[in-house]
Amino acid sequence: GEDVEQSLFLSVREGDSSVINCTYTDSSSTYLYWYKQEPGAGLQLLTYIFSNMDMKQDQRLTVLLNKKDKHLSLRIADTQTGDSAIYFCAETYSGGYQKVTFGTGTKLQVIP
Amino acid sequence: GAVVSQHPSRVICKSGTSVKIECRSLDFQATTMFWYRQFPKKSLMLMATSNEGSKATYEQGVEKDKFLINHASLTLSTLTVTSAHPEDSSFYICSARGLDTFDTQYFGPGTRLTVL
Repeated sequence: GEDVEQSLFLSVREGDSSVINCTYTDSSSTYLYWYKQEPGAGLQLLTYIFSNMDMKQDQRLTVLLNKKDKHLSLRIADTQTGDSAIYFCAETYSGGYQKVTFGTGTKLQVIP
Repeated sequence: GAVVSQHPSRVICKSGTSVKIECRSLDFQATTMFWYRQFPKKSLMLMATSNEGSKATYEQGVEKDKFLINHASLTLSTLTVTSAHPEDSSFYICSARGLDTFDTQYFGPGTRLTVL
């Protein structure tokens, strides 16, 4: 079955860049997502990338995809305290009913 | 755009009672809605998928008679936890996708269920 893995915790200083990594196993993944979850809240879609892309940039966010290694990363430039949250990597494939498989989430702690 | 709401945001109930959670897509027609359960410090687990007007498809290990899902309209899906027990306490999150959201699912804010 599909499997998505992330490291559980990342701590960075305010103003530095954060890089959250994710690996997945399903080679048929078509869409890969990054979601942000603040304490006690639902998931907020941050960005997504199609499997035929290598990189996508959206303001402070940069997503890199290495399809060969099945590795996805999210870089947050100039990390702010408001970026403290849990970040979930997720993948899905075209077909069926669009089941999304989530990683375990990476808790990002931003130190002022 | 693409806003999904859930109601209630928090609910506390006694063991043995039933609880209904609503999931609404506010500004788009949700052809498909998903219900997830999040365990503490763990990722989201898909419980079931529902398409408007048809029966929900449940994931393996999810009791369909315990977690009743209704997707009666293109903007509303409900999850009813029947005869709730303390082990059902969890954070339940719905998501929705529509024809015009491409393949992206938009998530509701979640409902915290506590069964005493």
